[in-house]
Amino acid sequence: DGGITQSPKYLFRKEGQNVTLSCEQNLNHDAMYWYRQDPGQGLRLIYYSQIVNDFQKGDIAEGYSVSREKKESFPLTVTSAQKNPTAFYLCASSPYLGTTSYEQYFGPGTRLTVT
Amino acid sequence: GDSVTQMEGPVTLSEEAFLTINCTYTATGYPSLFWYVQYPGEGLQLLLKATKADDKGSNKGFEATYRKETTSFHLEKGSVQVSDSAVYFCALSDSDMRFGAGTRLTVKP
Repeated sequence: DGGITQSPKYLFRKEGQNVTLSCEQNLNHDAMYWYRQDPGQGLRLIYYSQIVNDFQKGDIAEGYSVSREKKESFPLTVTSAQKNPTAFYLCASSPYLGTTSYEQYFGPGTRLTVT
Repeated sequence: GDSVTQMEGPVTLSEEAFLTINCTYTATGYPSLFWYVQYPGEGLQLLLKATKADDKGSNKGFEATYRKETTSFHLEKGSVQVSDSAVYFCALSDSDMRFGAGTRLTVKP
């Protein structure tokens, strides 16, 4: 079955530690995205990538980093510089042709708790 | 820039009631419009979409019509079930994707 996997489902870290969230897709999509969702809130874009070895900052990139070495993988690192990292993190992918973007397909999310 | 505004929740309905969740958008181009649904603790799932004016998207009894004249894409369902309890997000896609803030729906038996 094609889809997006995120692991782990729940992640706990101590303050001051960097942590990397995994996102893998087998949909052969060009574009991948990371969003942050806080309780009762909408989605805020952290980073996105339209092609391998290229990525752009979203609305709230400070304190986060990403890489896109393979088409199917887009890991997100939450660094110790992120002031309030506890949140639900969602990865998504979509086909992307030129300037037109299509519907995004989402993974199940990772809930990160930092204490 | 492009944006989406959807009605604030939470919305609480009895089973078999009629549902409307309002969504309006602002866009400079000709966006595609979407409704996503998020069940507790899960990611978003695409519920329906419309790619041009007057298109009607439908799925699982939900419908929404792309109204260019009123820049709206309201979500409707004639008879909700307890299993429809979730958060619903309106979104548009032009050069990038923009999401509304989400509307929480609770359906009581």
